[in-house]
Amino acid sequence: DVKVTQSSRYLVKRTGEKVFLECVQDMDHENMFWYRQDPGLGLRLIYFSYDVKMKEKGDIPEGYSVSREKKERFSLILESASTNQTSMYLCASSFGQGQNTGELFFGEGSRLTVL
Amino acid sequence: GEDVEQSLFLSVREGDSSVINCTYTDSSSTYLYWYKQEPGAGLQLLTYIFSNMDMKQDQRLTVLLNKKDKHLSLRIADTQTGDSAIYFCAEKGSARQLTFGSGTQLTVLP
Repeated sequence: DVKVTQSSRYLVKRTGEKVFLECVQDMDHENMFWYRQDPGLGLRLIYFSYDVKMKEKGDIPEGYSVSREKKERFSLILESASTNQTSMYLCASSFGQGQNTGELFFGEGSRLTVL
Repeated sequence: GEDVEQSLFLSVREGDSSVINCTYTDSSSTYLYWYKQEPGAGLQLLTYIFSNMDMKQDQRLTVLLNKKDKHLSLRIADTQTGDSAIYFCAEKGSARQLTFGSGTQLTVLP
């Protein structure tokens, strides 16, 4: 079974703190994604990566950065957390273009509260 | 950008059929998906349909695709309390990422 593991299920941080959310997948997937989920808004794509050291902005990249130093690991960084970044963050991975059905495999999510 | 829309809430009685609807705008969609999210968990793929298909059936699940109207539906037969969850419609065009709808909260009443 594909496993996508997010390091923290629940975090509470203060405004202005730096936050790292880590995600590891064990299926040698090329693509990795970070989404945030808010009630009534569904999933919105923050950043994605299709190769090591490559990154692409999604629909809402402002206030976030990412790092992909190894194929299996994709980190989301909030340089200076703000209260409007309180949300559920979901990591996902998939095979490369032209392979398989494009299905995304999701982690369990990280619920971040910024006070 | 591309858009996927679905209603936010649906309530059904246990044993009835549930139908969750979704519309999308991407004319180049290749695959369309239904994901299920249980409370406090990530999303799990329920089923998918390739864009050249009209229908796909998998046990209690039936997916219907009307490509002309860009309309996708998920029918769950004999809905059970364990089916209570949020259901997300998603589509994939030529890009690597999927575009998701807002999710439909399905509540199954006893």
